Amino acid sequence: SQELEQSPQSLIVQEGKNLTINCTSSKTLYGLYWYKQKYGEGLIFLMMLQKGGEEKSHEKITAKLDEKKQQSSLHITASQPSHAGIYLCGAESKAAGNKLTFGGGTRVLVKP
Amino acid sequence: GAVVSQHPSRVICKSGTSVKIECRSLDFQATTMFWYRQFPKQSLMLMATSNEGSKATYEQGVEKDKFLINHASLTLSTLTVTSAHPEDSSFYICSASRQVNQPQHFGDGTRLSIL
Repeated sequence: SQELEQSPQSLIVQEGKNLTINCTSSKTLYGLYWYKQKYGEGLIFLMMLQKGGEEKSHEKITAKLDEKKQQSSLHITASQPSHAGIYLCGAESKAAGNKLTFGGGTRVLVKP
Repeated sequence: GAVVSQHPSRVICKSGTSVKIECRSLDFQATTMFWYRQFPKQSLMLMATSNEGSKATYEQGVEKDKFLINHASLTLSTLTVTSAHPEDSSFYICSASRQVNQPQHFGDGTRLSIL
């Protein structure tokens, strides 16, 4: 089965600083999704990456998928308190439709 | 706005009670929905895939008689936790996507507390 490892597990950054979260897969990724979750709430979709070398940006968040499609990173530029939350990467299984396997999550705290 | 609605958001009940959680796709039809469970400070664990008009597919280690899933229509899947006990207390969350290769949208989750 596919396993995703996220690093770091938690992160505290000063407001205005950049941060990067990594997601590494044990197998080639068919589709890689990034979500954000606030404690006790649902997941908010951020980005979807499917092609090797693909990079997508939305506002101050950029996600990349490496050429080998086994590693993805999520980068936040000039972080704000609103960026605080839990970031989860999810891998899509081609063999099982849209089924997602999630990494362990990265808890982000932004200090004002 | 939300595209997947989950209800209720919070349930507190006595041990032995059965609890039903609803997951609705609001503006699209979903032949497949997914149910996840999340323990405190942990990631989401897929419990089962809900298939419209057929039996759900359960992940290894998930008791199908304990967690009953019904997907009777293209916009509604329900998860019933039967004879719930304190160890079933958790955060349950569902998801659905408009079609394959489209991102899954998640409900807001249901926090279940069994006393």
